[in-house]
Amino acid sequence: DAGVTQSPTHLIKTRGQHVTLRCSPISGHKSVSWYQQVLGQGPQFIFQYYEKEERGRGNFPDRFSARQFPNYSSELNVNALLLGDSALYLCASSGGTGSYEQYFGPGTRLTVT
Amino acid sequence: ILNVEQSPQSLHVQEGDSTNFTCSFPSSNFYALHWYRWETAKSPEALFVMTLNGDEKKKGRISATLNTKEGYSYLYIKGSQPEDSATYLCAQDYGGATNKLIFGTGTLLAVQP
Repeated sequence: DAGVTQSPTHLIKTRGQHVTLRCSPISGHKSVSWYQQVLGQGPQFIFQYYEKEERGRGNFPDRFSARQFPNYSSELNVNALLLGDSALYLCASSGGTGSYEQYFGPGTRLTVT
Repeated sequence: ILNVEQSPQSLHVQEGDSTNFTCSFPSSNFYALHWYRWETAKSPEALFVMTLNGDEKKKGRISATLNTKEGYSYLYIKGSQPEDSATYLCAQDYGGATNKLIFGTGTLLAVQP
């Protein structure tokens, strides 16, 4: 079985631009979470989606948005990029509410110049 | 303790040494604690999910213990090998509708041959 996949692997954008990151969960998993990892810190929770509904949101500005599709894949969108948005963005999938294990993808490295 | 904290920040050991790291977390409203192993440029790998006070889990040469009353978990590696070199992350899971993970900043382990 394929694990969690994310695309693209790397991305370079300019301040003010918009970016879309994509995640495909493990087959059969209905929940997707997004995390931001800045160098020197642990991953920070951004969003969780379950069955296409937002179940949780971390302390991130409204420039960050996400959605989940009927096939349970997900997109993270960031508008009006700032230099501080440069980070590794990780996606995690799980079986859903009450399921303990969360499995991570390799991440998308976003650089904002 | 208000946040998830890990110590030490980094550790350099010789091949064959045994080592251990600490994860401290808020003990109130405990749901679960996750340990991950993260090699550079790879996905974080789930090691253990621990839920009960006094839990002990083992995977090969790696084991972990949990004390929910005092808010700490230990990760032990017996007879470290160069392939154990990685960042070890712990994360507190608050459960509920979100299953949001709050991560520590990790312990970077380097095992010298």
